[in-house]
Amino acid sequence: QSALTQPASVSGSPGQSVTISCTGTDRDIGSYDLVSWYQQHPGKAPKLMIYEADKRPSGVSSRFSGSKSGNTASLTISGLQAEDEADYYCCSYVGSLLGVFGGGTKLTVL
Amino acid sequence: QVQLQESGPGLVKPSETLSLTCTVSGVSIYNTYYHWAWLRQPPGKGLEWIGNNYETGDTSYNPSLKSRVTMSVDTSNNQFSLRLRSLTVADTAVYFCARLWWRQRLGQGWFFDLWGPGTLVTVSS
Repeated sequence: QSALTQPASVSGSPGQSVTISCTGTDRDIGSYDLVSWYQQHPGKAPKLMIYEADKRPSGVSSRFSGSKSGNTASLTISGLQAEDEADYYCCSYVGSLLGVFGGGTKLTVL
Repeated sequence: QVQLQESGPGLVKPSETLSLTCTVSGVSIYNTYYHWAWLRQPPGKGLEWIGNNYETGDTSYNPSLKSRVTMSVDTSNNQFSLRLRSLTVADTAVYFCARLWWRQRLGQGWFFDLWGPGTLVTVSS
């Protein structure tokens, strides 16, 4: 299966909102609502931020939200804060007990 | 508090086999609701899913690595393991173990909710 497509980088100023897209195909994102998003700070393990496309785990800020339309999933971060600066990865189930990640997006808070 | 911790060699030679173990604490590895995964991240690059061990005893592997990977579970020691054969320098990466939440019958989940800190494995002669 091919990696999901994410923009290499996005940026925003504190207080603004940014959206990171994750584009797949009708064989992965288009077929399943099983998209998850992870935040990774340098030298750290990834942290689950969104699961099943739009659900937020307990303890994750409500500033993080997810959505899906067709073959594209999106992660929106509102009210940007300095600590949101990190790499973000999407992941999708692709059937047959297989999964695939996006290439990652570096978020810079200006 | 549930924790995962990877262990294994930090340096292996090309053509050799990498063996890593993930020790799970705070929850039994034999659990209907959780499954266990390995992922990796080459330096400066993105995440790559390697494979999963399911509570049924089944496994699934990334097709690009399937011919070289074996994963297993040791319930007596609450550990699960990864073996990756025929290593090349391209296998140099931080290797993470993680917990997979997945309800196959209901078609729910498929996300990694808990991760180990990761261990750097360098393949070099």
